[in-house]
Amino acid sequence: DAKTTQPTSMDCAEGRAANLPCNHSTISGNEYVYWYRQIHSQGPQYIIHGLKNNETNEMASLIITEDRKSSTLILPHATLRDTAVYYCIVLDQTGANNLFFGTGTRLTVIP
Amino acid sequence: GAVVSQHPSRVICKSGTSVKIECRSLDFQATTMFWYRQFPKQSLMLMATSNEGSKATYEQGVEKDKFLINHASLTLSTLTVASAHPEDSSFYICSARDMASGDKTQYFGPGTRLLVL
Repeated sequence: DAKTTQPTSMDCAEGRAANLPCNHSTISGNEYVYWYRQIHSQGPQYIIHGLKNNETNEMASLIITEDRKSSTLILPHATLRDTAVYYCIVLDQTGANNLFFGTGTRLTVIP
Repeated sequence: GAVVSQHPSRVICKSGTSVKIECRSLDFQATTMFWYRQFPKQSLMLMATSNEGSKATYEQGVEKDKFLINHASLTLSTLTVASAHPEDSSFYICSARDMASGDKTQYFGPGTRLLVL
């Protein structure tokens, strides 16, 4: 039950900002936007989440459009270690709270 | 903070044996833990939700008698693959939610790679 759509893959030059888009046009008022990433053969790593406002932490920034139908995850200075599959997930904080992973975006950071 | 561990990290077993995987929240307490499975080149699939002190909730198509879940404490959930067969070979990943946190962020373990011969 895909609630988000992401590009299958993206490349980014090392040291540049990586901007990963996500469409969630059917998002409801209770649903947050979560981003995780999975480096090869590891468990997913939490990156950031938000509801309406833009958010920033030590890993990334999350920009959510005013209508909340799309968002962008920004890695300000991509490194080779940021090569991973990035998952955008919408999560209802009031419901069962199960994360459903789609196919994500495979980001490759190029030296 | 929010560290989740799994043990073992990888296991190889013979067909027909049972395998137990442990998931621990190291620096927080978790009333709810989740078990996922990931086959090669595929995304994570939720298998079950593990609730401390009560029965697990299984997703459709997941056999509860084959994948036994026990969540006996606020920091430990176990998944036992009963009578494992080669088709059960997969990457098993758990996650946990900090019960003291106001949000529902899940923190994941490093995964357990199971190979059944």
